[in-house]
Amino acid sequence: SAVISQKPSRDICQRGTSLTIQCQVDSQVTMMFWYRQQPGQSLTLIATANQGSEATYESGFVIDKFPISRPNLTFSTLTVSNMSPEDSSIYLCSVRLSSYAMDFGPGTRLTVL
Amino acid sequence: GENVEQHPSTLSVQEGDSAVIKCTYSDSASNYFPWYKQELGKGPQLIIDIRSNVGEKKDQRIAVTLNKTAKHFSLHITETQPEDSAVYFCAARGKNFVFGPGTRLSVLP
Repeated sequence: SAVISQKPSRDICQRGTSLTIQCQVDSQVTMMFWYRQQPGQSLTLIATANQGSEATYESGFVIDKFPISRPNLTFSTLTVSNMSPEDSSIYLCSVRLSSYAMDFGPGTRLTVL
Repeated sequence: GENVEQHPSTLSVQEGDSAVIKCTYSDSASNYFPWYKQELGKGPQLIIDIRSNVGEKKDQRIAVTLNKTAKHFSLHITETQPEDSAVYFCAARGKNFVFGPGTRLSVLP
């Protein structure tokens, strides 16, 4: 399995501001993803972070709200832009190590006031 | 697209008893079914998985069974311990991973 770290681990932000979340993996991985987990809910895929090209967003998520960078095979960032209280969630980075298994980072707990 | 249902949403068992969580999926093309455990304040951790060419897999106290015909799979935890208390998510992978809504398991000492 991979060792995945995320920064920050938690933050409290004011509405209208933006937060950038970092994800670092200890090995090179082709597939990296960003998920959102709203309070008490399941995991929803935001986008696939593609190295060297634009991220692929799922229905209901747009680049202007959740811009993603993937400068290399071990690092990615997710920005939550122009935040509102509805953006309060856990944001999780994940990587697919093989054709099947997927590992998750520890998550970033975001509260928007 | 794929839809994954999971039951029950909450489950309480006495320490030492068994716990069973069931999931159903809709896409017959799904070929990989992992189970994740999420403890409070942590990210989901893969605990066991099964591929579509296998009917059952066991790892110590944890087992997963798959019925491809009926499109359902189950997690079985035997001899439960308080540290098994967590939220458990099933998932099905076709084009992407789709997660079930989760089951909050409480193991009472």
